[in-house]
Amino acid sequence: GAVVSQHPSWVICKSGTSVKIECRSLDFQATTMFWYRQFPKQSLMLMATSNEGSKATYEQGVEKDKFLINHASLTLSTLTVTSAHPEDSSFYICSARTGTSDRFSPLHFGNGTRLTVT
Amino acid sequence: QKEVEQDPGPLSVPEGAIVSLNCTYSNSAFQYFMWYRQYSRKGPELLMYTYSSGNKEDGRFTAQVDKSSKYISLFIRDSQPSDSATYLCASLSGGYNKLIFGAGTRLAVHP
Repeated sequence: GAVVSQHPSWVICKSGTSVKIECRSLDFQATTMFWYRQFPKQSLMLMATSNEGSKATYEQGVEKDKFLINHASLTLSTLTVTSAHPEDSSFYICSARTGTSDRFSPLHFGNGTRLTVT
Repeated sequence: QKEVEQDPGPLSVPEGAIVSLNCTYSNSAFQYFMWYRQYSRKGPELLMYTYSSGNKEDGRFTAQVDKSSKYISLFIRDSQPSDSATYLCASLSGGYNKLIFGAGTRLAVHP
């Protein structure tokens, strides 16, 4: 099956620093990847759609200058949380689809990155 | 009103019970419906997906969609302690990219 790998699985950083999270599709190419955020005991909220070779599309209320997304290849997307603050502490999860955006294919998720900003 | 509504539970059942997990949705344009299982501190794992109305069965799991009432269900037969997790229903909004999740129902199956 489709495997999405996310790294690191957890990270602790100091307030004001930046953190990069990687998302890789291991056995398929993904023209589109998605970044979600999940607070404790809450559901997943889509942050942005990452498109290979072009700018990411951010959901309303998500600061694009704070959450930098780079989709440099068909198997790698990165999310950089810049100038992190304690309120950015959350569970970040990436996902990818095996097909193209003009037809249905289910999303497969990575195992998430737990970010704690101290 | 949220686009996908799901009772967060928690739901506690004895091993071997039949579990019924439910969601409702508001957008009649939704066509694809998914169920994900999420263990603590892990990403969601796709269990099943269905298109439009009807049933789909996979082992102990059955997904059911009733578009007339905008109701989505997941049934788990012969539930096992390993089924203890959070179950998320989801549907696609505005094309094939944006997945809208329910709040997730926490299920505990006790021996």
